[in-house]
Amino acid sequence: GAVVSQHPSRVICKSGTSVKIECRSLDFQATTMFWYRQFPKQSLMLMATSNEGSKATYEQGVEKDKFLINHASLTLSTLTVTSAHPEDSSFYICSARVESSYEQYFGPGTRLTVT
Amino acid sequence: GQNIDQPTEMTATEGAIVQINCTYQTSGFNGLFWYQQHAGEAPTFLSYNVLDGLEEKGRFSSFLSRSKGYSYLLLKELQMKDSASYLCAEQLMDSSYKLIFGSGTRLLVRP
Repeated sequence: GAVVSQHPSRVICKSGTSVKIECRSLDFQATTMFWYRQFPKQSLMLMATSNEGSKATYEQGVEKDKFLINHASLTLSTLTVTSAHPEDSSFYICSARVESSYEQYFGPGTRLTVT
Repeated sequence: GQNIDQPTEMTATEGAIVQINCTYQTSGFNGLFWYQQHAGEAPTFLSYNVLDGLEEKGRFSSFLSRSKGYSYLLLKELQMKDSASYLCAEQLMDSSYKLIFGSGTRLLVRP
């Protein structure tokens, strides 16, 4: 149990375009989902926390208008990177938490390359 | 912010024991996680400590001292496949229980 999927696993896009990444909890309802970004040889940096049906809470330094997060249901959250630039190239990972649990379940990650 | 410190890199020999230390700021602390991450993959859960003491799970053990803001991950009988990054993460006591990750420790296991 507690499986989280992400789609796509890899995406290459041109500079200036937008990319949407989906995060799904497959066998449980996630009251809270988290989005992280990881640059090569660095650790995970929390970008934002999203709760179903409400606006996401962004970490300091993360542009909410550039990284749009939607958490429309208890099993789906999406991250849209708008007007992507090469510096946005990174590994994006989501995780999901059940209200009654302390643990976060991580998705497999999405490798974004902006050319 | 929450300063979480762990060594950048460590090297150990196959079959040996290695201890990876982590220090964190105690304000707002709720619990301490350890994750393993292989290159290009998502983190996998290793352990969770909320009370002081040692939690043992097979070859891996994790220790926590809340008063000192200190934790370590102990890996025994090292195997080559244990070469990976080990991430210490502090869970904060807010409504979201978000995790703040340390920079990670890259462990290289040599024959």
